[in-house]
Amino acid sequence: NAGVMQNPRHLVRRRGQEARLRCSPMKGHSHVYWYRQLPEEGLKFMVYLQKENIIDESGMPKERFSAEFPKEGPSILRIQQVVRGDSAAYFCASSQTLTNQPQHFGDGTRLSIL
Amino acid sequence: SQQGEEDPQALSIQEGENATMNCSYKTSINNLQWYRQNSGRGLVHLILIRSNEREKHSGRLRVTLDTSKKSSSLLITASRAADTASYFCATDVRNTDKLIFGTGTRLQVFP
Repeated sequence: NAGVMQNPRHLVRRRGQEARLRCSPMKGHSHVYWYRQLPEEGLKFMVYLQKENIIDESGMPKERFSAEFPKEGPSILRIQQVVRGDSAAYFCASSQTLTNQPQHFGDGTRLSIL
Repeated sequence: SQQGEEDPQALSIQEGENATMNCSYKTSINNLQWYRQNSGRGLVHLILIRSNEREKHSGRLRVTLDTSKKSSSLLITASRAADTASYFCATDVRNTDKLIFGTGTRLQVFP
């Protein structure tokens, strides 16, 4: 059973470019979560999605950030017009539909903005 | 403000010793989870304790939960060098589906 797959592992962008981060959840998991981690800090919740629906985006910046989880294919976290402050590790997690189930994390995408 | 805060921030011990990490949180929860993160890697789920449970064991791990004090502890017994990592508690806040993470405890186990 493959775990949560994220790609790319590392992404370098120049200021003003777009960054696209991909996440394929574990097989059988229909809930996807995105988190951001700054160095030496814990993870901060960004957005929670189910297939074709955004359930909770309370942690997403209001501008430049968007997320989707289409019927087919991976979940995408998109950052437009990146700035230096977007440099961080972005983690995706997935879980089953039942409550009190753990979230399983991918190895993250480390985004560096030049 | 932080929902979860771990204490201590950093801990250094010798192999064979026990390591205890504490976590405090602020709101009502469905469950509390502990994760481990090795440097440069994702989080590995260790143990989940539900709000109606007080103690849970998994191998060398022992987790307690005190909902009246809104706190939890993670005990790693007979530590090994391979236990060196950052440990995070995360609360599954009631009526939401997101995890709120603490700032982590960095554990260093010396051989």
